[in-house]
Amino acid sequence: DVKVTQSSRYLVKRTGEKVFLECVQDMDHENMFWYRQDPGLGLRLIYFSYDVKMKEKGDIPEGYSVSREKKERFSLILESASTNQTSMYLCASILAGEDSNEQYFGPGTRLTVT
Amino acid sequence: LAKTTQPISMDSYEGQEVNITCSHNNIATNDYITWYQQFPSQGPRFIIQGYKTKVTNEVASLFIPADRKSSTLSLPRVSLSDTAVYYCLVAHGAGGFKTIFGAGTRLFVKA
Repeated sequence: DVKVTQSSRYLVKRTGEKVFLECVQDMDHENMFWYRQDPGLGLRLIYFSYDVKMKEKGDIPEGYSVSREKKERFSLILESASTNQTSMYLCASILAGEDSNEQYFGPGTRLTVT
Repeated sequence: LAKTTQPISMDSYEGQEVNITCSHNNIATNDYITWYQQFPSQGPRFIIQGYKTKVTNEVASLFIPADRKSSTLSLPRVSLSDTAVYYCLVAHGAGGFKTIFGAGTRLFVKA
C-alpha cells in the first residue's frame, strides 16, 4: 500500500521561529509537492521538486523554502514563522513519466503560529 | 495555466446521482482533467482522470465534451459517506507539474 507520511499532524510554533515540516514517501516517486490549504481557497502549491536537489516555485513560495536531499524526503522550511502562515500543509508525491496525474497525499500538518 | 471554476456547494440525497460540473476555458492541448475527493482532516484522494470523451471506473464517471472547456464528474447513487469536498483540476500531461486546485465543491449528502 502506497504511503506518504508527514512528521506531525499538529504543530504550534511562535512567531519568528524556524519551522521544519517533513514529508516521506515510500513509492520511489520522483515528483513531490507541498501545498497549503486554507478555508475557501482550496489547495495552493508552494513548491515542487522533480528530482533530488531540484525544486521549482509554485504559486505562493514567499516565506518558504524547501529541501530535497534524498528522493524519498521533501522538507518544507519556514525560516521565520508568521501568523499568516497558520494553515494546513499537505505533501504529495507522484510518479513522473506516467499518464496518470494521481498524486498521493499525506494526512496533512495543521500548523498554528502564535 | 488553466484555472477551474466549480460550484461552491451542492446538496443531494442518498441514492441519487450527483453531477458536478467544472469549467476550464483555458485548458491547454496537453492538459489532463483530474478529480479528487477530500474528507475532513485528510489529504485529497484521486478519483478519476480523463483527457476527452468519457471515462468510467468503479467510483465515478467523467464526461468531457469535444471542446474540453468543461467536464462533469458523475457519482452514481451517492451515500452519506460521499459527503466531501470534490476538486477539479487540470494539469500538464503526466507528472502533474504545477497543478492548480480550485476551491472545490462541497457536497453534502442527506439521508
